[in-house]
Amino acid sequence: GDSVTQMEGPVTLSEEAFLTINCTYTATGYPSLFWYVQYPGEGLQLLLKATKADDKGSNKGFEATYRKETTSFHLEKGSVQVSDSAVYFCALSGSNTNAGKSTFGDGTTLTVKP
Amino acid sequence: EPEVTQTPSHQVTQMGQEVILRCVPISNHLYFYWYRQILGQKVEFLVSFYNNEISEKSEIFDDQFSVERPDGSNFTLKIRSTKLEDSAMYFCASIQDLYEQYFGPGTRLTVT
Repeated sequence: GDSVTQMEGPVTLSEEAFLTINCTYTATGYPSLFWYVQYPGEGLQLLLKATKADDKGSNKGFEATYRKETTSFHLEKGSVQVSDSAVYFCALSGSNTNAGKSTFGDGTTLTVKP
Repeated sequence: EPEVTQTPSHQVTQMGQEVILRCVPISNHLYFYWYRQILGQKVEFLVSFYNNEISEKSEIFDDQFSVERPDGSNFTLKIRSTKLEDSAMYFCASIQDLYEQYFGPGTRLTVT
């Protein structure tokens, strides 16, 4: 079945540091890929998405590129802020098995210190 | 922008009681989902629903769970006899196409 593997956390960075959170996936067909962010006690917010190979999703300074050859969708940000502290989930949907269902990674907790 | 809504935002219940979690998907969406997130853990798929029937369910979705679309707007998740381990955040989602699920804000269920 489908699966998403995220880099283990937690990740602790200083403000203005460069962020990478690795994500790789296994799926049949051509899934869409997503990054969600979850702040403490809140729901899931879609951060960015990419629907086909080589697409780059971007939002609020975060970027991720859909790499089919390496089955990866790594999240990056050039300069993190304290307000970026949250849990980040990589996810996929639209594979050949139950097209609309989302499969999530375990989540990576990011803490940014001033 | 249209959004998925869920009620209540927080439900506290005693073990063994029945609970019904409610969701209003986006009006022109056709596929509906429930997910569960135990505190501090990943988001797990429970069930998908299309054309008034379950299209897929996970092993978590046992006989204690049921889903229903009682009218044209609501989509409900019922847990017949709650257990302590059912305490979690429950998210509803709906889709129009394959590219993005729209998630509701979640219902935090606490079983005491």
